[in-house]
Amino acid sequence: QSVLTQPPSASGTPGQRVTISCSGSHSNIGSNTVSWYQQLPGAAPKFLMFSNDQRPSGVPDRFSGSKSGTSASLAISGLQSEDEADYYCATWDDSLKGPIFGGGTKLTVL
Amino acid sequence: QVQLVESGGGLVKPGGSLRLSCAASGFTFSDYYMSWIRQTPGKGPEWVSYISSGGPIIYYPDSVKGRFTISRDDAKNSLYLQMTSLRAEDTAVYYCARVGLHTSMAPDYWGQGTLVTVSS
Repeated sequence: QSVLTQPPSASGTPGQRVTISCSGSHSNIGSNTVSWYQQLPGAAPKFLMFSNDQRPSGVPDRFSGSKSGTSASLAISGLQSEDEADYYCATWDDSLKGPIFGGGTKLTVL
Repeated sequence: QVQLVESGGGLVKPGGSLRLSCAASGFTFSDYYMSWIRQTPGKGPEWVSYISSGGPIIYYPDSVKGRFTISRDDAKNSLYLQMTSLRAEDTAVYYCARVGLHTSMAPDYWGQGTLVTVSS
């Protein structure tokens, strides 16, 4: 059971906007910044977002991140078939004194 | 371009040892924190260890503390993970990952991973 809680699945149709949530606590998301990763089937995770809402170079602006209190969200607008992947949030946990990942959300493009 | 290539994975019996290596290229290796992160099918990644640039800061979660040792050789642009007293629950794909310079400790590049299977 992950310290960071993500919905196991999410879905949308091409062109839609979908949001993936990541819920934590004061000792992790509430006190630290959040990053996001995209993992295509059979591939390594790809860096998607850092410091809550900062996109690394090369990541389309269809992807956006936000954080409020002890929760964070990743939004994908203009959904495309190639967005079908697993998405993970990550942050630091002050109580565990280490970095942690969420359990992941499988995004299906219908 | 940044490349991270892991090696050393394989099948090992419970209680056995294994040493993973990661060859880095395309960036100034000595400037970066480096990490090992593992993942089992259908689960989120789990940090196994990280080491600071220069090596004075090292992290292990309780699940591997005392059994795993991370090290780096900046002259060889290489990262290592010595794993001992391996358990079935250590079975996973192990990724070498670079921690970004200005990413609040978020890993920004990952290797393709090497599979470690602990089974009798």
